[in-house]
Amino acid sequence: QKEVEQNSGPLSVPEGAIASLNCTYSDRGSQSFFWYRQYSGKSPELIMFIYSNGDKEDGRFTAQLNKASQYVSLLIRDSQPSDSATYLCAVNRGNQFYFGTGTSLTVIP
Amino acid sequence: EAGVVQSPRYKIIEKKQPVAFWCNPISGHNTLYWYLQNLGQGPELLIRYENEEAVDDSQLPKDRFSAERLKGVDSTLKIQPAELGDSAVYLCASSLTRGGEQYFGPGTRLTVT
Repeated sequence: QKEVEQNSGPLSVPEGAIASLNCTYSDRGSQSFFWYRQYSGKSPELIMFIYSNGDKEDGRFTAQLNKASQYVSLLIRDSQPSDSATYLCAVNRGNQFYFGTGTSLTVIP
Repeated sequence: EAGVVQSPRYKIIEKKQPVAFWCNPISGHNTLYWYLQNLGQGPELLIRYENEEAVDDSQLPKDRFSAERLKGVDSTLKIQPAELGDSAVYLCASSLTRGGEQYFGPGTRLTVT
């Protein structure tokens, strides 16, 4: 079983809609959770991190963590074509980082 | 504040040749990571440093890969000899604290022919 699993997509949403990206993790000892955005040919760029159950909002982005169900999600409100990228979920457990394979998001104008 | 710096950005070499990558982390970041990323995959850890100490190198193919972080600042990753399967993007990242958020450099795209 993989440490971190993401649906590879592609996920397509119209401009202005809410994009919902999901990630599940296998180990309940996981402590902190990160979302990265990666444009084609570029390196991962940190968007958000979350440590506690619940929601964390930053501008158009909201990270949601549910430790009981072992999932973390990223919501992007008012999606823009510039949000089209691959979104990587990363999980930290005991100072070990585990990355998912990413979900490809396309925002259609 | 300057980000993570890596060089070179691109490298093309023939198999069996040596290659080296350099990384300078964000100032003050004691933790440094080297990752390998293949197309369509997430980054895979090669080695993690806490200051100058390699604390996790379990995924580093030690028969051909080596790394160093002298003085606990910049770091070099070397491959000798390179194989065709080593073609990938090599990413360096740093974080202020262990387990804290990581910031990535632009990466080095290696092509082995």
